[in-house]
Amino acid sequence: NAGVTQTPKFQVLKTGQSMTLQCAQDMNHEYMSWYRQDPGMGLRLIHYSVGAGITDQGEVPNGYNVSRSTTEDFPLRLLSAAPSQTSVYFCASSSPGTSYEQYFGPGTRLTVT
Amino acid sequence: AQSVAQPEDQVNVAEGNPLTVKCTYSVSGNPYLFWYVQYPNRGLQFLLKYITGDNLVKGSYGFEAEFNKSQTSFHLKKPSALVSDSALYFCAVSPLHTGKLIFGQGTTLQVKP
Repeated sequence: NAGVTQTPKFQVLKTGQSMTLQCAQDMNHEYMSWYRQDPGMGLRLIHYSVGAGITDQGEVPNGYNVSRSTTEDFPLRLLSAAPSQTSVYFCASSSPGTSYEQYFGPGTRLTVT
Repeated sequence: AQSVAQPEDQVNVAEGNPLTVKCTYSVSGNPYLFWYVQYPNRGLQFLLKYITGDNLVKGSYGFEAEFNKSQTSFHLKKPSALVSDSALYFCAVSPLHTGKLIFGQGTTLQVKP
């Protein structure tokens, strides 16, 4: 099992550009989440999904879109990048069968200039 | 509002001494409790979790955590610290059946030889 994979590892964007961060898991987990990590603030939930076709907002959803067409994939779209979105982004998956222990991807470091 | 607090930004201990990293939470019901560790430029690794049962849970790398319901705390402990334990530690809480994690801001553990 590859677990949770994320691409790209690094990305630099200019203000106003759009892009999609990819996330995939091969553990057949129902739940998937996106977090952003900023110094001194821990990880904050952006969006999450409890199954294919079902998504909901987390703590900091503004400026981001998600969709979940399959169990395996949960892409995060930045509509119009802003410097405030410079962060490290982590995707995670979990399942009731694992007591909701979240398995994290390696992260994407995004810089918006 | 639901929240998790890690009151110490940094904990310094000498190698061989016991360590404690503190965590308190404000989440309704009986949430699941987790500790994760992050090494520099790496993703998050699961250490341990509390679901129900014995208040002392044992996890990876010799770590354990003590759950105290009356104080809504979940402190991470290790009897004898190693230099290699130096990392960033996150406490996280999952409100029941949500699949979401609420993180504390993180505590940097520095173990000196």
